[in-house]
Amino acid sequence: DAKTTQPTSMDCAEGRAANLPCNHSTISGNEYVYWYRQIHSQGPQYIIHGLKNNETNEMASLIITEDRKSSTLILPHATLRDTAVYYCIVRSNRGAGGTSYGKLTFGQGTILTVHP
Amino acid sequence: EAQVTQNPRYLITVTGKKLTVTCSQNMNHEYMSWYRQDPGLGLRQIYYSMNVEVTDKGDVPEGYKVSRKEKRNFPLILESPSPNQTSLYFCASSLFGGELFFGEGSRLTVL
Repeated sequence: DAKTTQPTSMDCAEGRAANLPCNHSTISGNEYVYWYRQIHSQGPQYIIHGLKNNETNEMASLIITEDRKSSTLILPHATLRDTAVYYCIVRSNRGAGGTSYGKLTFGQGTILTVHP
Repeated sequence: EAQVTQNPRYLITVTGKKLTVTCSQNMNHEYMSWYRQDPGLGLRQIYYSMNVEVTDKGDVPEGYKVSRKEKRNFPLILESPSPNQTSLYFCASSLFGGELFFGEGSRLTVL
């Protein structure tokens, strides 16, 4: 699986949009972009994923560039409870014809701090 | 309720005393994996399993063993724990390469 690069930390004001970038320049055609977040020392929680189209769910939006080499997770109206470490990973999926979805690299993620 | 269950959640042990951290999932997932998390180092994969009887090394497998005899269980074995294995451990499972479901974590201290 390809590796990702994220900023170490970011700040955001409560109520504003938080835009978290991720670079994945070596992503291959059958690899999805997944985002997870970890609050304190709890188990990471799935947020959203996408292959090449932009995606939105009740938690966030995911914007993937046309060349798929980078993406942005958007939390449209950040709250104090969104303060967490956010991880971006890429992973092949059998549904997309991938077979190498075993080994995963999470990296250190982005520490997002939402302040009042 | 769909979940990944790890036990024990907290453990203090001594160097050299064999221990096993259990992981069980109730979602019929083929894929399971173990991670350790240390300050400043993020999540690092220890071992993973693509299916029953199929396991492979992640980035930091030294000092650990795993087995996958049943689909729902993926125990992590520390044959001779050392202080550098003091860490927070997470187990996760997924359906093939899909969304990962994580356990609540097991905090291990080796004295």
